[in-house]
Amino acid sequence: GQQLNQSPQSMFIQEGEDVSMNCTSSSIFNTWLWYKQDPGEGPVLLIALYKAGELTSNGRLTAQFGITRKDSFLNISASIPSDVGIYFCAGQDNYGQNFVFGPGTRLSVLP
Amino acid sequence: DVKVTQSSRYLVKRTGEKVFLECVQDMDHENMFWYRQDPGLGLRLIYFSYDVKMKEKGDIPEGYSVSREKKERFSLILESASTNQTSMYLCASGVLGNTEAFFGQGTRLTVV
Repeated sequence: GQQLNQSPQSMFIQEGEDVSMNCTSSSIFNTWLWYKQDPGEGPVLLIALYKAGELTSNGRLTAQFGITRKDSFLNISASIPSDVGIYFCAGQDNYGQNFVFGPGTRLSVLP
Repeated sequence: DVKVTQSSRYLVKRTGEKVFLECVQDMDHENMFWYRQDPGLGLRLIYFSYDVKMKEKGDIPEGYSVSREKKERFSLILESASTNQTSMYLCASGVLGNTEAFFGQGTRLTVV
């Protein structure tokens, strides 16, 4: 089946630093979603991207839909302790109602 | 706000037991999903449903079944629980044709 890769798998950063993570696929997707999961909770949708090349912001978060439609990245600026969690990308193609999720990037923010 | 509610946050069951995980959504969504989440593997789709009494297998349906008798409720059933089904189970719902899925808080199931 379709698979997504996320990098890095985990990262430790200092509070105030900017963060960048990405998601790649061997297949083309028509929608990219970025979710954040706090410990012990379900994932919460951060940003949805619907068009190749689209750049969308949500507060300190910015995500882009790659031109090839096979990748997406998420940036977090000026990280704060509550940014800690696992960030998942998800893709959806034309053929189904369901989503393919990446394995996640685990972010730790050091004070 | 969309609300997806899973009946239990934590469950401990014995090997061989029949286990029911319940999920209810209050937004009249057509689509509902069950995923399991394991470290390093991300979220893997078990089953999904796009209408009452309809169900489709996801990537890892073996050992599971589902029931959707009402639009707002989607149940995941472990017919005979095994230790390799110890995991975090996440339910999600979404509007038919829409591309966003909203998740419940998860059920952490331990099979001993």
